[in-house]
Amino acid sequence: DTAVSQTPKYLVTQMGNDKSIKCEQNLGHDTMYWYKQDSKKFLKIMFSYNNKELIINETVPNRFSPKSPDKAHLNLHINSLELGDSAVYFCASSQDRGSSPLHFGNGTRLTVT
Amino acid sequence: DAKTTQPPSMDCAEGRAANLPCNHSTISGNEYVYWYRQIHSQGPQYIIHGLKNNETNEMASLIITEDRKSSTLILPHATLRDTAVYYCIVRVVNTGNQFYFGTGTSLTVIP
Repeated sequence: DTAVSQTPKYLVTQMGNDKSIKCEQNLGHDTMYWYKQDSKKFLKIMFSYNNKELIINETVPNRFSPKSPDKAHLNLHINSLELGDSAVYFCASSQDRGSSPLHFGNGTRLTVT
Repeated sequence: DAKTTQPPSMDCAEGRAANLPCNHSTISGNEYVYWYRQIHSQGPQYIIHGLKNNETNEMASLIITEDRKSSTLILPHATLRDTAVYYCIVRVVNTGNQFYFGTGTSLTVIP
């Protein structure tokens, strides 16, 4: 069973569209994250979220918004897509206690044309 | 932001031990050291973490210096499948602090 799963694996869309990426974890973790990896391979955190707090990296445009219907899901909505949004987006989860490590999904490659 | 320094790239002969260094000279007493790797464009994979004692699991060993200002990840018998980018991260636990990834070390295992 996949611990952290993301869909879709690939997403190709045009500028100006609105799209969503879904993430689900079956590890019982209480904190979920979204990371962006650009063409230079730098992994940058976008959001961390648990049922108490949303922490937003201040450099993330407000066109990006996380939505969590329940503890096991954290979806990423992106409005008015731009060329610069092309990247690989990774979802991750961890237990927000102790030194629990992050567990990552396999990523969604977003291409904006 | 990332508080670690790693060499950008390293080579290792297949079957030999790969020793990947990480400098974290500004680490504080409640920060753990974590190691991850990313093979190709897959999701980063957790390897090991520690606070001050050396740690070992089925994948690797983590050696942390006594002053905690640096650490070394050891892959005891590198295989071609260990070719990846290896990231060293420091993080305060129990506070919800996020994991910040640096640029990592690109390890190439040579046949």
